[in-house]
Amino acid sequence: DTGVSQDPRHKITKRGQNVTFRCDPISEHNRLYWYRQTLGQGPEFLTYFQNEAQLEKSRLLSDRFSAERPKGSFSTLEIQRTEQGDSAMYLCASSFDRPDEQFFGPGTRLTVL
Amino acid sequence: DQQVKQNSPSLSVQEGRISILNCDYTNSMFDYFLWYKKYPAEGPTFLISISSIKDKNEDGRFTVFLNKSAKHLSLHIVPSQPGDSAVYFCAASYNTDKLIFGTGTRLQVFP
Repeated sequence: DTGVSQDPRHKITKRGQNVTFRCDPISEHNRLYWYRQTLGQGPEFLTYFQNEAQLEKSRLLSDRFSAERPKGSFSTLEIQRTEQGDSAMYLCASSFDRPDEQFFGPGTRLTVL
Repeated sequence: DQQVKQNSPSLSVQEGRISILNCDYTNSMFDYFLWYKKYPAEGPTFLISISSIKDKNEDGRFTVFLNKSAKHLSLHIVPSQPGDSAVYFCAASYNTDKLIFGTGTRLQVFP
């Protein structure tokens, strides 16, 4: 399978715990994006990378959120001190120099109890 | 502030007929528009796009129409098939990598 992969697919955690998600983009894609989707809403942009550089961050990305893309390959999204409001589907997407055609992974569903 | 709006949360269409999904936007700076389809437990899948310099783009059974003066775009699916049943998201961007999505329309195509 050469699509975008995300791990884990589901994560249940207790409030206050830290969680980390991983995204593996399509291998030749240099751009990588993170979105968050809550029930009844469309995906909301969080941040994006071009190669290893993080070029834009949404104000939705509070200080508790951090994303990295070392070596311009896979990316991780960490949420510290999780809150119940962080419960959502976290989507990763990638593209190759065409930001308008982003290929999405299956998402990681986070539930914070 | 919802810059991209899909006012119909659901649509039901008979197989073989036309499905028309609508999307309105408020930001006149948007220069690219896209439609994504999403099945349960999967990420959105890119379907079709249109640049603001065009008013129509066609790809097989899918056609997107853009009316810039009305800040409105629509997706036409002809003929509709049961496999088209999914949630459809409209998205827009302007000179940036950030896509702004609508809230989605759930399409159901029945036999």
